[in-house]
Amino acid sequence: GAGVSQSPSNKVTEKGKDVELRCDPISGHTALYWYRQSLGQGLEFLIYFQGNSAPDKSGLPSDRFSAERTGGSVSTLTIQRTQQEDSAVYLCASSPDGVGYGYTFGSGTRLTVV
Amino acid sequence: EDQVTQSPEALRLQEGESSSLNCSYTVSGLRGLFWYRQDPGKGPEFLFTLYSAGEEKEKERLKATLTKKESFLHITAPKPEDSATYLCAVQATDRGSTLGRLYFGRGTQLTVWP
Repeated sequence: GAGVSQSPSNKVTEKGKDVELRCDPISGHTALYWYRQSLGQGLEFLIYFQGNSAPDKSGLPSDRFSAERTGGSVSTLTIQRTQQEDSAVYLCASSPDGVGYGYTFGSGTRLTVV
Repeated sequence: EDQVTQSPEALRLQEGESSSLNCSYTVSGLRGLFWYRQDPGKGPEFLFTLYSAGEEKEKERLKATLTKKESFLHITAPKPEDSATYLCAVQATDRGSTLGRLYFGRGTQLTVWP
């Protein structure tokens, strides 16, 4: 499709389980970002992929969080041993070159940890 | 840590009642300031990019302006369909490998009633 696609749109999981969130960026976009949005909070940066460069993981909140990007396209964000504080909307965005002008966001995955 | 502060947190306007939203920022070097609109259940949608003090951009009833330390989003004669959360974000020049990262404010929730 023409936009950034995220799946699933909603995920309810039990505390302690692992979850995988998927992002399909716009074709040809070299930059891909993951952000987290909690109720009443701003968007929190998690990780940034740019082309073949090493990803910037400086925003990942703990070692339970990891992400990969295969073939410079699809990205998966994995959260291990989920905790209730992980509940949030996880947003993926892509851009042609890492400049904010070109950011296109997906609709997000709403994660609820019970 | 860089900070982006938006005010007010919430704003209720009657249809046709013009107003302004504020975004102040404290990055030491600004690459760009971005305004996004976010509707419930959706990802942020790009509105404007501003790069230097004195710059202005317009789109329909919205006009964004930039000074050295803040930006304003002016809404002229708003309509109910302008109701959304408006997010401000900055991209800094002095972040090394995180050049693509956007720092977001918490947003202003705008409600326009008929």
